[in-house]
Formats: sequence, C-alpha cells, structure tokens
Amino acid sequence: DMKVTQMPRYLIKRMGENVLLECGQDMSHETMYWYRQDPGLGLQLIYISYDVDSNSEGDIPKGYRVSRKKREHFSLILDSAKTNQTSVYFCASSPGTGRNTGQLYFGEGSKLTVL
Amino acid sequence: GQQVKQSSPSLTVQEGGILILNCDYENDMFDYFAWYKKYPDNSPTLLISVRSNVDKREDGRFTVFLNKSGKHFSLHITASQPEDTAVYLCAAGMNQGGSAKLIFGEGTKLTVSS
Repeated sequence: DMKVTQMPRYLIKRMGENVLLECGQDMSHETMYWYRQDPGLGLQLIYISYDVDSNSEGDIPKGYRVSRKKREHFSLILDSAKTNQTSVYFCASSPGTGRNTGQLYFGEGSKLTVL
Repeated sequence: GQQVKQSSPSLTVQEGGILILNCDYENDMFDYFAWYKKYPDNSPTLLISVRSNVDKREDGRFTVFLNKSGKHFSLHITASQPEDTAVYLCAAGMNQGGSAKLIFGEGTKLTVSS
C-alpha cells in the first residue's frame, strides 16, 4: 500500500516549546520533503532529503531542522516554536535516481498552532 | 521572489464550462511541470504533468499546455463538474541529483457551480 503517514495530524504548542513532526513512507522512496502551506502562499519547501543523512535546505529553512536516520522516516523539528510557524505542514516523498517520474506523494498534513 | 506564480487566486465557472488555469515560472532550467489538486483538509495529489520535451499532454478532460519560450504553462479543464471544485496548485522543477525538486505556485481556488 503506497502511503505517506504524518504524525501528529493536529498539534497545539506554546511559543518557545519544541515541536517534532514525524513522517513515514512505505514505498522505499529515496527523496523526502517537508513543505508548509499558508493562505496565498501555496506550498513552500522547507527541506529536502535525498537519502539517509543527506539533507538540503529548501526555500524557507530558517527556524527548522530535519533528521533522516532511516530511509522510510523523515522528521521536522522546530526548536523553540514561534507564532509565525503556525501552519499546515506537508511531508512528501518521491523515487530517486532511475525511478524518478517527478511525482510527489503527499501525506495528509500536520496542522500546527503555536500560541 | 516567487519562482512559480499563479495569476488567479480564485476562479468560478458554471458546470459544463471550460476553464483555463495559468502558471508562470522564472527558472528556464525547469524541465518538469505539473498540476496538483487539493481538496480541503486533504493532501495534494498529482492531476497531470508534462516534461519539457513536449508542449501538450491530454488526459481525459484535462490538458496541460507548455510554452517554454514564454515560461508559462496552463491547465485546461473541459466539461467542468462540481467535483472539480478544489484548489489547483501548479508546480515546476528539475532533477537535482536524480531527485525531483518541485516549486509550487500559490494555488487557485476553483469553484464549479451547478
């Protein structure tokens, strides 16, 4: 079953608290992504991971870090969350070299509210 | 700046009508162009895509046209249906290290009225 799973789906945190968003995929995809979606801004790329411990900044990496210790798992970490990080976060995956069709497979999103 | 831009934040069309969604991009190295569809509280899913070596791809009621010289691509939807009501996100990108890196537009909220 081809699936990208995000946990938690909903999260409320206070400013300054740490946040951990988890993403898993069962397709053995090499590449994984974290995007955030805000009204009027579409999906903005935070980080891209090409494989285990091979991560690269996207367009808006400030305030975020990531961890990829297993191919099937990609975490987004906010150390000391800020109110402007309130958003819906989407994880996605895609095949890497040799199998890449360009298509991204998205999880269902994690809605984070920072008070 | 916004590398991929959609000109219309929202669009309304009557059921059965034809509509065109537009997308402009800046980077002429992009070689992959796609339209994703997103229902509220759901994940984006790929609707249709095209590589830079073709200028048109059709899939049922959906056709994507690519104008590389104008750095523009569009999605044409014919015989629109209420279930087409959704947010449409255009995306463009290129292979980097064998992996796709997609940049998305802001989205166009489409409403099909019956």
